[in-house]
Amino acid sequence: KNEVEQSPQNLTAQEGEFITINCSYSVGISALHWLQQHPGGGIVSLFMLSSGKKKHGRLIATINIQEKHSSLHITASHPRDSAVYICAVRTGNQFYFGTGTSLTVIP
Amino acid sequence: DVKVTQSSRYLVKRTGEKVFLECVQDMDHENMFWYRQDPGLGLRLIYFSYDVKMKEKGDIPEGYSVSREKKERFSLILESASTNQTSMYLCASRGTGDMNTEAFFGQGTRLTVV
Repeated sequence: KNEVEQSPQNLTAQEGEFITINCSYSVGISALHWLQQHPGGGIVSLFMLSSGKKKHGRLIATINIQEKHSSLHITASHPRDSAVYICAVRTGNQFYFGTGTSLTVIP
Repeated sequence: DVKVTQSSRYLVKRTGEKVFLECVQDMDHENMFWYRQDPGLGLRLIYFSYDVKMKEKGDIPEGYSVSREKKERFSLILESASTNQTSMYLCASRGTGDMNTEAFFGQGTRLTVV
């Protein structure tokens, strides 16, 4: 059983397109994290959310606690956004990770 | 601005070797974690530590041990490496506190056991 489900698994977009990645979870959470992993492996934390919405540059993350759902949006996508995006939820000190969404943005 | 550093990006070891993966954080965090990442399985927790000399097993501790002698360093040990331990290993750290404490990840160590 997967506590965190992401969709889609793979996504290809043209440069400039608006992108949405979805995350649903089944556990009660302290916070939800959106992570970015580029080829080569290193993970960067993009957002940590416990409610509402956060924006950083072209990235927007929203969370609906009642529906146990979060979305990551990328506006005006660019080839450098190509990466794997991972949704992770935290309950106390325990993290549950989605399997990631592989995004490719084509020039 | 590096916060969590893993000692190696790429490592190749022979079956049966003892392997040490080191992780150092400079944020005075109490909590440190070791994960492995495999295609289709996502990140799975091997061990975590919530204080010096304290450790807890994660979801897949078999074949691994850990050491936390100092607060800033958390080591993952493969006592006798096997080919099924070929994987990407990621270290993370997080402070103790309220829900707004951020987690930080290292750059990963890609281990190949031959």
